[in-house]
Amino acid sequence: EDQVTQSPEALRLQEGESSSLNCSYTVSGLRGLFWYRQDPGKGPEFLFTLYSAGEEKEKERLKATLTKKESFLHITAPKPEDSATYLCAVQAEGGGADGLTFGKGTHLIIQP
Amino acid sequence: NAGVTQTPKFQVLKTGQSMTLQCAQDMNHEYMSWYRQDPGMGLRLIHYSVGAGITDQGEVPNGYNVSRSTTEDFPLRLLSAAPSQTSVYFCASSYGDTGTEAFFGQGTRLTVV
Repeated sequence: EDQVTQSPEALRLQEGESSSLNCSYTVSGLRGLFWYRQDPGKGPEFLFTLYSAGEEKEKERLKATLTKKESFLHITAPKPEDSATYLCAVQAEGGGADGLTFGKGTHLIIQP
Repeated sequence: NAGVTQTPKFQVLKTGQSMTLQCAQDMNHEYMSWYRQDPGMGLRLIHYSVGAGITDQGEVPNGYNVSRSTTEDFPLRLLSAAPSQTSVYFCASSYGDTGTEAFFGQGTRLTVV
């Protein structure tokens, strides 16, 4: 059974204080690992897709990395508008075409 | 550019009532799916479709039906609502099947009393 575990569940940072969110996963074969951002009352918004160990992707203050067992979402010098819940999901080989297994998310608060 | 549109945004049902949650996308995506999101749990896949006329079950399909008569629409039907179906429901669509990003609607918050 595919599993995704995100840590920490919640994280409070000061503006400008860099940190990392963790996503550990177990799948029979990884087709892709996804990071989404979700604001309160909204649907998840796509951030990154990672396909193979060693891959990295960046967008503004966010950088996602991938190993064979986990992914990190690094947040550099965050701003209050980065406050959101960050979701990690995996798609397994042989899984449903649009079927993603999600973690429970990390609720990130950036204080001014 | 509307993307994925879900209606209604909020709904209250009585136990045993039936209803349909609507989902439409204007991106010509072949792949569409329904998830539910409950407090303390990750999004869980209910049903998905790889194209018009083709649907399949996800992780938590019981109590829900779907159909896909057109590429654009993917309604989710609750046959006889139960309090355990109180949740936030999200519809998503994506272009391809190999690790392509999914676009999500804004969600429908359903309460069954």
